[in-house]
Amino acid sequence: EVQLVESGGGLVQPGRSLKLSCLASGFTFSNYGMNWIRQAPGKGLEWVASISSSSSYIYYADTVKGRFTISRDNAKNTLYLQMTSLRSEDTALYYCAAGGVMDAWGQGASVTVSS
Amino acid sequence: DIQMTQSPSVLSASVGDRVTLNCKASQNINKYLNWYQQKLGEAPKLLIYNTNNLQTGIPSRFSGSGSGTDYTLTISSLQPEDVATYFCFQHNSWPLTFGSGTKLEIK
Repeated sequence: EVQLVESGGGLVQPGRSLKLSCLASGFTFSNYGMNWIRQAPGKGLEWVASISSSSSYIYYADTVKGRFTISRDNAKNTLYLQMTSLRSEDTALYYCAAGGVMDAWGQGASVTVSS
Repeated sequence: DIQMTQSPSVLSASVGDRVTLNCKASQNINKYLNWYQQKLGEAPKLLIYNTNNLQTGIPSRFSGSGSGTDYTLTISSLQPEDVATYFCFQHNSWPLTFGSGTKLEIK
């Protein structure tokens, strides 16, 4: 069974940093591109970043470019999102999703940016 | 950036109805269009990928169609468990973009 489990969320002050992790199981993680998507409270879905299977290709939404870094460790079956210079508008539930068509999603990690 | 516009934003229908949800892209997305279902308090679930491919395990009452800039998700016979918000998503070009969603309710 495919499983994606996010961790690392929490309450953080504006301007600070936070790193999310997504542990994958049930599939060959190193064969798949991975994605981060977020959802602000009561709002729709926003694509954040994507990384190819070997980390050769990385893409970011303009809203996070220069502040967030997506990475992966295929040996640990883990996807990461390093978030810096956090703003109140980054408050959201952050999902990791697997594959180019995003056919598997985790349950999300909650990030609240507030003083 | 490609803008994805979904309509209607809210749809109320009766059990057994045929329901159509619409998604319009601001430019041609070459059928790289997915549909996701999100029930309250849950993560999104992939229903349809690349316009008309039913994801494994999804009931056959769900179908997708379209081309160019215009796409639809059809539920042939609405069931109570279909109450959810439905999002379209284009993966034709970066940045990837979602529609704002259609909230489907039962009358």
